[in-house]
Amino acid sequence: KQEVTQIPAALSVPEGENLVLNCSFTDSAIYNLQWFRQDPGKGLTSLLLIQSSQREQTSGRLNASLDKSSGRSTLYIAASQPGDSATYLCAAPGANSKLTFGKGITLSVRP
Amino acid sequence: DTGVSQDPRHKITKRGQNVTFRCDPISEHNRLYWYRQTLGQGPEFLTYFQNEAQLEKSRLLSDRFSAERPKGSFSTLEIQRTEQGDSAMYLCASGRNNEKLFFGSGTQLSVL
Repeated sequence: KQEVTQIPAALSVPEGENLVLNCSFTDSAIYNLQWFRQDPGKGLTSLLLIQSSQREQTSGRLNASLDKSSGRSTLYIAASQPGDSATYLCAAPGANSKLTFGKGITLSVRP
Repeated sequence: DTGVSQDPRHKITKRGQNVTFRCDPISEHNRLYWYRQTLGQGPEFLTYFQNEAQLEKSRLLSDRFSAERPKGSFSTLEIQRTEQGDSAMYLCASGRNNEKLFFGSGTQLSVL
């Protein structure tokens, strides 16, 4: 059974800082991994999908990496802004492509 | 808007009442998922449809829960005899094989 862990649960940084959010998963037989953003009381917004054949995927100031052998993925956010404040969740697929989520990391970027 | 649409956004009900939520997926997506999320937790899988067939149900989905996806288009999730423990955000997602899943804005259920 896939288990996804995100530590720490919360993070507070000053504006402009580069930061890394970590995600670990127990079953390395995954074909992709997806990162999401969730604002309070809202649904999930897909940020990046990284395929198992890729090592990295980039979108704007976001960069996700995937290391299946170590069971880890990271989401790098460059030059953080207050608008980046949200909860970031990673999710790994299992059978039928159903996703197993971590509990998320709540990011606060201080102006 | 061609995203995943969920209705209603919020639902307040009394314990014991039945509620029904609707999800309209992105039209070309053959896969549809329902998830439930409580405060401080990641979403938990409830059930999955491929086209109109319900292929998997979580053990979280008690007999009071039923989901349908007639004609492989929109889906409904019904909860009968609601309990306070059913209070959560119910999220719908759609996608195609091995591609991104797209989520709706969710239905926030409060059972009083």
